[in-house]
Amino acid sequence: GEDVEQSLFLSVREGDSSVINCTYTDSSSTYLYWYKQEPGAGLQLLTYIFSNMDMKQDQRLTVLLNKKDKHLSLRIADTQTGDSAIYFCAESSGGYQKVTFGIGTKLQVIP
Amino acid sequence: DGGITQSPKYLFRKEGQNVTLSCEQNLNHDAMYWYRQDPGQGLRLIYYSQIVNDFQKGDIAEGYSVSREKKESFPLTVTSAQKNPTAFYLCASSMGSNFNQPQHFGDGTRLSIL
Repeated sequence: GEDVEQSLFLSVREGDSSVINCTYTDSSSTYLYWYKQEPGAGLQLLTYIFSNMDMKQDQRLTVLLNKKDKHLSLRIADTQTGDSAIYFCAESSGGYQKVTFGIGTKLQVIP
Repeated sequence: DGGITQSPKYLFRKEGQNVTLSCEQNLNHDAMYWYRQDPGQGLRLIYYSQIVNDFQKGDIAEGYSVSREKKESFPLTVTSAQKNPTAFYLCASSMGSNFNQPQHFGDGTRLSIL
């Protein structure tokens, strides 16, 4: 079945850039999402990209998609302590195919 | 403000008891979903509903039940048949009746066993 993999943990210094990586297995993935979860809260949609795009930028966030390698990344520029959270990658083949979530990458920002 | 409201935030269940988790949305979304989140695991889909009066089982529906009598509401009942109910439960909704549209989440309900 479909699978989405992420590394478990990333630590960066405040002000540096963070890059969170994700790989997926479903070659028919059409929609790819990044969510942020703060402690005790739900998931907040950060951004999403369609598979016909290579890149999407939204303020400090840059999403890169390498469809050939089935690799998705989220870059956070000028990382702040408020960015400390768990980041989930998710994919969907569209239509009535359900969304598959990764297990989340915990980002720790060191002041 | 538009959004998804889950209640209660914390819930405790006794052995043999059914409990119901509430999820209400005022986003006018057609589709609603229930997920279970366990430590170190991704989200697992319990049930989803693409339209009022219709719902489908997700990957881990055993021991759970839902109803969708109104567009705004999608309550989840954790029955006594669910032997390991301790988890963080997340409700989500999306525009449209398919999975294309991004899902928006509530703040979750943490269920524990007494």
